[in-house]
Amino acid sequence: DTEVTQTPKHLVMGMTNKKSLKCEQHMGHRAMYWYKQKAKKPPELMFVYSYEKLSINESVPSRFSPECPNSSLLNLHLHALQPEDSALYLCASSVSGIYNEQFFGPGTRLTVL
Amino acid sequence: AQKVTQAQTEISVVEKEDVTLDCVYETRDTTYYLFWYKQPPSGELVFLIRRNSFDEQNEISGRYSWNFQKSTSSFNFTITASQVVDSAVYFCALSENNNDMRFGAGTRLTVKP
Repeated sequence: DTEVTQTPKHLVMGMTNKKSLKCEQHMGHRAMYWYKQKAKKPPELMFVYSYEKLSINESVPSRFSPECPNSSLLNLHLHALQPEDSALYLCASSVSGIYNEQFFGPGTRLTVL
Repeated sequence: AQKVTQAQTEISVVEKEDVTLDCVYETRDTTYYLFWYKQPPSGELVFLIRRNSFDEQNEISGRYSWNFQKSTSSFNFTITASQVVDSAVYFCALSENNNDMRFGAGTRLTVKP
């Protein structure tokens, strides 16, 4: 299984809602990542988990809260988002460090109203 | 600070033409990693190649080839005999010292039949 899955594919939420994005991989990878990608822009790294510990947090607002329950799962909890947070959220995984090739999921397209 | 420049915002070619996508990077580190990713219209990023700073050998994979030149800080990507299925946004990316992953702005390639 060489796939990274993400749910949901699309999400529309209000600014007062709480929602979560989920990511799963079964490749035995020990590093997982969240990226944010705005339209016609490159992906921007948000968080890196390495061996289930948060190793990089790119100064992301606290309304985004990552969680890594185990080495196969990665969640991104969303609360009190702003319309400018609307974007494609990509999850990726790699064997270990960020210097390895990353396998990306299809993304969750988030719209904040 | 690390930086990746993809000066070509958009390129349009006719099928079977060769096309080269440019990537210039900046880093002060001696150890770093360079990547190319493809993002087709479906949105999912696909890993193409990874190079470390100590390996300047050029690589060929089918119709794809990469030219890594440390002297000019460039890591260019050539598609030979382009096909319509090559239409996508191509990102060059840099990771240095196991910290962070920075993508270039991307080059949108359109291959017309």
